[in-house]
Amino acid sequence: EPEVTQTPSHQVTQMGQEVILRCVPISNHLYFYWYRQILGQKVEFLVSFYNNEISEKSEIFDDQFSVERPDGSNFTLKIRSTKLEDSAMYFCASSRTAISFFGPGTRLTVL
Amino acid sequence: GEDVEQSLFLSVREGDSSVINCTYTDSSSTYLYWYKQEPGAGLQLLTYIFSNMDMKQDQRLTVLLNKKDKHLSLRIADTQTGDSAIYFCAERMEYGNKLVFGAGTILRVKS
Repeated sequence: EPEVTQTPSHQVTQMGQEVILRCVPISNHLYFYWYRQILGQKVEFLVSFYNNEISEKSEIFDDQFSVERPDGSNFTLKIRSTKLEDSAMYFCASSRTAISFFGPGTRLTVL
Repeated sequence: GEDVEQSLFLSVREGDSSVINCTYTDSSSTYLYWYKQEPGAGLQLLTYIFSNMDMKQDQRLTVLLNKKDKHLSLRIADTQTGDSAIYFCAERMEYGNKLVFGAGTILRVKS
């Protein structure tokens, strides 16, 4: 069964460093998303991407964040200058219809 | 605004039924979902219901939707220890594709 994959599973970085989180969505899906879950809190929407552009973004998704689909199979989330409060589990998801399938997540730890 | 609320914790005995409840505020929701998260894992789609339905059954899972009261429930029949996990309720807005999640209900199944 096709699934969304994410790498790495755990990323540790120093405050102020740039990180890139990678995702491979399900191959025939058209919509791509990033969500995050700070420990003990709700899963929060960050951004959705369709037809090679951002279709919706939340207030969390400020200028420090960017997304890209560089090669037709990968979908990346870049955080330019990480802050301590960016520490969270980041989930990628994809959908073709109204049903979103999530990846296993990348745990980002900012020190 | 968009908000989804769930009770935080439910404890049941193996073999009993579990009922996890969720309330939401946005009456324009089109789909409502239940996701399961096991420790250290991603979000697994369990089931979903379209907003013009009031019930959906899928093997041991029964979803009830009361649109008037904006109340969604998930009933798990014959609960097993493997059902122990966090269960997230989520709604999809009428416009856009993002999901709004509740905080999750921790289900503990005692043998």
